[in-house]
Amino acid sequence: EVQLVESGGGLVQPGRSLKLSCAASGFTFSNYYMAWVRQAPKKGLEWVATISTSGSRTYYPDSVKGRFTISRDNAKSSLYLQMNSLKSEDTATYYCARPREGFAYWGQGTLVTVSS
Amino acid sequence: DIQMTQSPSFLSASVGERVTLSCRASQNINKYLDWYQQKLGEAPKLLIYNTNNLHTGIPSRFSGSGSGTDYTLTISSLQPEDVATYFCLQRNSWPLTFGSGTKLEIK
Repeated sequence: EVQLVESGGGLVQPGRSLKLSCAASGFTFSNYYMAWVRQAPKKGLEWVATISTSGSRTYYPDSVKGRFTISRDNAKSSLYLQMNSLKSEDTATYYCARPREGFAYWGQGTLVTVSS
Repeated sequence: DIQMTQSPSFLSASVGERVTLSCRASQNINKYLDWYQQKLGEAPKLLIYNTNNLHTGIPSRFSGSGSGTDYTLTISSLQPEDVATYFCLQRNSWPLTFGSGTKLEIK
């Protein structure tokens, strides 16, 4: 059974950093691109980042480019999202997702609140 | 960036009714269009990928169609458990973009 479990969310002040993790199991992690998607409270979904199988290619929307970094450790079947220079508008539930023919699997999400 | 416009924003329908949700892209997305269902307090769930492919385990009352810029999700006979918000997603080009969602309720 595919499982994605996010961790690392919490309350952080504007301008500070936070690193999210996603532990994957139930599939060969190194064979799949991985992604992060977020959802602000009572809002819609926003794609945040995607990383290739080896980690050599990464993709971001302009809203986070230069502030967020997606990475992975295939030996640990883990995905990460380093978030720097956080803003109030980054407040959201962050989901780890496995894309291939759509985002077929999602984690339960971890809440990040950016507030002073 | 490709903008995805969903309509209607809100829909109320009766059990057993045929329901149609729409998603329009600001440019051709070559059928790289997915539909997701999100129930209150839960993570999104993939229903349909690449316009008309039913994801594993999804009931056959859900179907998708479309091409170019216009896409549709149809529920052939609405069930109480279908109450949710539905989002479309284009994967034709970066950045990936979601529609703003259609909230579906039972009348």
